[in-house]
Amino acid sequence: GNSVTQMEGPVTLSEEAFLTINCTYTATGYPSLFWYVQYPGEGLQLLLKATKADDKGSNKGFEATYRKETTSFHLEKGSVQVSDSAVYFCALYLPSGGSYIPTFGRGTSLIVHP
Amino acid sequence: GAGVSQTPSNKVTEKGKYVELRCDPISGHTALYWYRQSLGQGPEFLIYFQGTGAADDSGLPNDRFFAVRPEGSVSTLKIQRTERGDSAVYLCASSQTSGGLTDTQYFGPGTRLTVL
Repeated sequence: GNSVTQMEGPVTLSEEAFLTINCTYTATGYPSLFWYVQYPGEGLQLLLKATKADDKGSNKGFEATYRKETTSFHLEKGSVQVSDSAVYFCALYLPSGGSYIPTFGRGTSLIVHP
Repeated sequence: GAGVSQTPSNKVTEKGKYVELRCDPISGHTALYWYRQSLGQGPEFLIYFQGTGAADDSGLPNDRFFAVRPEGSVSTLKIQRTERGDSAVYLCASSQTSGGLTDTQYFGPGTRLTVL
């Protein structure tokens, strides 16, 4: 079956530190890969996505590159801010019944201290 | 504009009872999704509607779970004979058209269901 594995959290960093949140996947077929963010008290929001191998998704200073050879989609940011504190979910999408249904990882909590 | 809304925000019920959870999607969005998120886990797909019809209900765990969307907008997730294992946050999302990869899903804040 399809699955997504994320590094366990919480990840605790100081402001302006470099962030990496690891995500690897197992899938039948060729998935598209997404990162979602959930800020405290809010719903999930799409952060970035990549639909084919070697694509790089980017948004708000975050980046992730679709690596087919290592089945990975690691999230990175060069300098985190306190406002980046949230839970981050990696997800893969595969076609199903005319739509694309996601399989989510369990989420990684990020805590950024001033 | 208004986002996806879900009511109630919290629901506490007793084992064996029936519950209904409501989702109001963004106006004009034809695709609607339900997910379940257990503690410490990511969202798990339950069912997807395109308009009024359920296009994919492969994620519903058993026949105690049922969802409707009679007019193609508001959707209700119905759970019969609730069990303690049904306790979770139930998320709804909507997207503009056909649910393709270019079609961003917008998530609601969720309904936290607790079955005692």
